[in-house]
Parts: sequence; structure tokens; C-alpha cells
Amino acid sequence: SAVISQKPSRDICQRGTSLTIQCQVDSQVTMMFWYRQQPGQSLTLIATANQGSEATYESGFVIDKFPISRPNLTFSTLTVSNMSPEDSSIYLCSGQGANYGYTFGSGTRLTVV
Amino acid sequence: GNSVTQMEGPVTLSEEAFLTINCTYTATGYPSLFWYVQYPGEGLQLLLKATKADDKGSNKGFEATYRKETTSFHLEKGSVQVSDSAVYFCALSNSAGNQFYFGTGTSLTVIP
Repeated sequence: SAVISQKPSRDICQRGTSLTIQCQVDSQVTMMFWYRQQPGQSLTLIATANQGSEATYESGFVIDKFPISRPNLTFSTLTVSNMSPEDSSIYLCSGQGANYGYTFGSGTRLTVV
Repeated sequence: GNSVTQMEGPVTLSEEAFLTINCTYTATGYPSLFWYVQYPGEGLQLLLKATKADDKGSNKGFEATYRKETTSFHLEKGSVQVSDSAVYFCALSNSAGNQFYFGTGTSLTVIP
């Protein structure tokens, strides 16, 4: 299966600032997704990152807050914009290839102060 | 719609005890089923999966059988170790393979 390198692994940010999280896959994947895991909760899908076009966002998530890029089949970024303490979470990217199930990045632990 | 219902935790077991974490699902079509594990401070890792009814996924002593008749995918291990302490997520992907649904996670602590 593919290996996803996600960075940064953790960060502490000031409120009102933005953080961009990157995911690099070592092989082409057909689909990439971004999730949020708030403390003590399960994963929530933020959006599907579409290669070469705008991401598809789930209910409750908007592009202005979580802009996503996917310029090619192996790379995607998620930006958490204008952060507040409520954005403190683990953010995970995942990818699905043609011949295997989903694989996940190691996660970004974000703390907003 | 599709959904996953997972046994609530936390679960605390003594080393070498038998583990069962229940997972049931609701789905249309022919979903694939997964168990993911999240060790402290780490991201999710695929533990095992099953892609069709009656398949058994197994890894690291864990196993789960895809039971269509009971819409279940319970995780079991015969003898847990301290190193198995983690949060376990049951998950389902839809028939098209373009959507994922997670359970709420079950925290397992194994004490020596």
C-alpha cells in the first residue's frame, strides 16, 4: 500500500493565524480526503480533495475556512484559516489507491492558543 | 444511509485476557469493512479489512469476520498485551469506494 508523509506532525498556533498541512503520497492515489478528529471524538470528513479542481466539502465545512489544494495525484494541502481555539484538533489526510484500501497520514496535532 | 455503530469504551483488560469489540453497520450495496488502530500520539493505521461477506481479516493476532446476516464485524483477540493499548475504530467504505464512515472509536487499556 501507499505511504503518506504528512507534515507538520504538530504545531501550536496563535489565534487568527493560518496553518497549511501537507500530505505527500509515494504513489498515485485516485482519491484523497481530509479528516478532523476533535478531542475524544471520531473522525469527521472535512472534504474530498479533487485533482485539478475545487474540493468537495462536507456539510459544516467551507472553502474559506479550509482551503484545499491538490495539484497532482500524489500531493495535497489543507489550510486551517483564521484559527480559533475550537480548531484545536488532529487533522488527518488519507488516500485511496486502485489496488488497496485507504491509507492515512500520521496526523497533525494542532493546538490554537 | 451508511453508518457504523461501535461498542463504547473505555475498555480495560488484564494482560492475556480475551478481547471483543463489537461493531455493527448499516449499508446499502456491498461495503468493505475495516478496523483501524490509533496508538497514543500516532495517526491511524489499518489493522485489518474484509471486502465481502464471510471474509475474515486478521493481523497481529486480531481477527474480524464480515457477517452480512448480522451486519457485524466484531474485533477479537485471544490474548491481549499491554502494547495493544490504543483506540480502535471500526469503519466502512461504500460500494463505490468513494466514501468512508467511522465508528466513534473504542479506547482499550491493557494492564499488566
